[in-house]
Amino acid sequence: AQSVTQPDIHITVSEGASLELRCNYSYGATPYLFWYVQSPGQGLQLLLKYFSGDTLVQGIKGFEAEFQRSQSSFNLRKPSVHWSDAAEYFCAVGSGGEEYGNKLVFGAGTILRVKS
Amino acid sequence: EPEVTQTPSHQVTQMGQEVILRCVPISNHLYFYWYRQILGQKVEFLVSFYNNEISEKSEIFDDQFSVERPDGSNFTLKIRSTKLEDSAMYFCASSEGTSGGYFTDTQYFGPGTRLTVL
Repeated sequence: AQSVTQPDIHITVSEGASLELRCNYSYGATPYLFWYVQSPGQGLQLLLKYFSGDTLVQGIKGFEAEFQRSQSSFNLRKPSVHWSDAAEYFCAVGSGGEEYGNKLVFGAGTILRVKS
Repeated sequence: EPEVTQTPSHQVTQMGQEVILRCVPISNHLYFYWYRQILGQKVEFLVSFYNNEISEKSEIFDDQFSVERPDGSNFTLKIRSTKLEDSAMYFCASSEGTSGGYFTDTQYFGPGTRLTVL
């Protein structure tokens, strides 16, 4: 079965510093990968997604992620973090077809704290 | 921008009681989903719904759970007899269905309903 691992439960970065959130997946076929962000009291907002093609994908709010098949990773990056980026970030793998069904499988999330 | 809404934001109930969680998906979307997140654990898929029937459900979604689209706008999750372990944040999501409802559709999530079972 597919699974997603986010090894960092909490990360603290200084405002203006660069950010990388790690995500590793396990999936038997071509993965379809997503990053969602959740601010307190808000729903899960899609930051970006990878389906195929260019392995570096751009998202909203200045985020990008790189799909590395050899590493089974889909790490999220941002060159300069803003205080408003403080939130919880979820990596997810999507599946389709009869074997895996129609659902998203989420990682446990990484809580980002930004210090000024 | 259209969004998924959920009511109530917080529901407290006694063990054994029935609860209904309500969601209003984005109006032109065809696929609807429920997920839940027990405190400190991962967001887990419960069920997907299309064309007035369940298209897939997880092993969590047992006979105590049911979903319904009672009218053209609402999508509900009913828990027939709540247990302590049903305490969680429940998220509703919807997607357009332009890709057959599978993962290539972006799922848009609501803010969640926090269910507390005492």
